[in-house]
Amino acid sequence: NAGVMQNPRHLVRRRGQEARLRCSPMKGHSHVYWYRQLPEEGLKFMVYLQKENIIDESGMPKERFSAEFPKEGPSILRIQQVVRGDSAAYFCASSRAGTMNGELFFGEGSRLTVL
Amino acid sequence: EDQVTQSPEALRLQEGESSSLNCSYTVSGLRGLFWYRQDPGKGPEFLFTLYSAGEEKEKERLKATLTKKESFLHITAPKPEDSATYLCAVQARGSSASKIIFGSGTRLSIRP
Repeated sequence: NAGVMQNPRHLVRRRGQEARLRCSPMKGHSHVYWYRQLPEEGLKFMVYLQKENIIDESGMPKERFSAEFPKEGPSILRIQQVVRGDSAAYFCASSRAGTMNGELFFGEGSRLTVL
Repeated sequence: EDQVTQSPEALRLQEGESSSLNCSYTVSGLRGLFWYRQDPGKGPEFLFTLYSAGEEKEKERLKATLTKKESFLHITAPKPEDSATYLCAVQARGSSASKIIFGSGTRLSIRP
């Protein structure tokens, strides 16, 4: 399967623990985007990365959240000291370049539940 | 502020009953309007891009149209497999892909 791969698909954490979500983009894609989706709400942009660079993190909370896309390996969204409000579906999308036609390829998401 | 509003929030149709979903938008110069389909427990899947008023795109039973203020997704003679949430998104001219703004979606349910 050459699509966007996210893992874990489901993650349960207790308040105060750390959550790490991983995303491998489609083959040949060097741009990665992370979105958060709450029930009955639309996708909210969090961060946009290229290999080894954060291009736009304007949608990501300043505290507890961080993202990286190393030269080798998947992109990682890290949430430290999780709180119940972090419970959501986190989607990763990728594109070959800064997509010109709006076509983002999404993974199936990682669903985080904070107890 | 750029904004996307979709209506209705949910729509239930009988198989074969045609209808339209609405996406109203405000954006400081439209670069593109996009439609995505999202199945439960899955990520969104790209359907169409529309760039200018008057443009139309078709795919099977779906047709997307665009005016200066809104877009419609017309569904003709839908089948149960068309049941999904349909998301509309816009990107302002001169902005990067990180500035694609999504609406909350319309949950479409087609009864056999």
